[in-house]
Amino acid sequence: DAGITQSPRHKVTETGTPVTLRCHQTENHRYMYWYRQDPGHGLRLIHYSYGVKDTDKGEVSDGYSVSRSKTEDFLLTLESATSSQTSVYFCAISAGGWYQETQYFGPGTRLLVL
Amino acid sequence: KQEVTQIPAALSVPEGENLVLNCSFTDSAIYNLQWFRQDPGKGLTSLLLIQSSQREQTSGRLNASLDKSSGRSTLYIAASQPGDSATYLCAVSGGGADGLTFGKGTHLIIQP
Repeated sequence: DAGITQSPRHKVTETGTPVTLRCHQTENHRYMYWYRQDPGHGLRLIHYSYGVKDTDKGEVSDGYSVSRSKTEDFLLTLESATSSQTSVYFCAISAGGWYQETQYFGPGTRLLVL
Repeated sequence: KQEVTQIPAALSVPEGENLVLNCSFTDSAIYNLQWFRQDPGKGLTSLLLIQSSQREQTSGRLNASLDKSSGRSTLYIAASQPGDSATYLCAVSGGGADGLTFGKGTHLIIQP
């Protein structure tokens, strides 16, 4: 599992509230990613990071922000959650310190926005 | 924009059969292609990574091939077992650090 944990694993929140999801890795990988998985859409990239304080947007970044103040932690924030952000969120890393290496995924966070 | 398609969307076969899952992508300018499996309610498990310069990779009963010029990959599973039941996902990596583009997966059921 490449030492990736995600917290919380499950969360129920209300529309309009802020939510922060955490991805933690223990193996000092440089590249980290946040994806969301939805029926009919598959997995889509939200944001990614290529180092501490170095982040960029993915395909579906609207409504999300990220931060990476330490190598091991990559945070995903929903500033004001909406029902359309109900999804399963996966964090991933690229092994080997190079973004073209195998990607390994965390166990996921199930988020329900009411 | 890269698009990845997986056919079939679902497949059910008896135990012991050999089977092929298909993946196609629209932009042949990829760096690598990765196959994953996902069990219900779980994360993704990496199965095989094929670099763009490679034609195939093997791991146990799994063999993945890549024809970059035609935008196709196949995942061959030999002597299927009920434990192979899962959703299989294909994903390609483009020229930057911006993650993978995924297909929607093939839901595979191996009947005992």
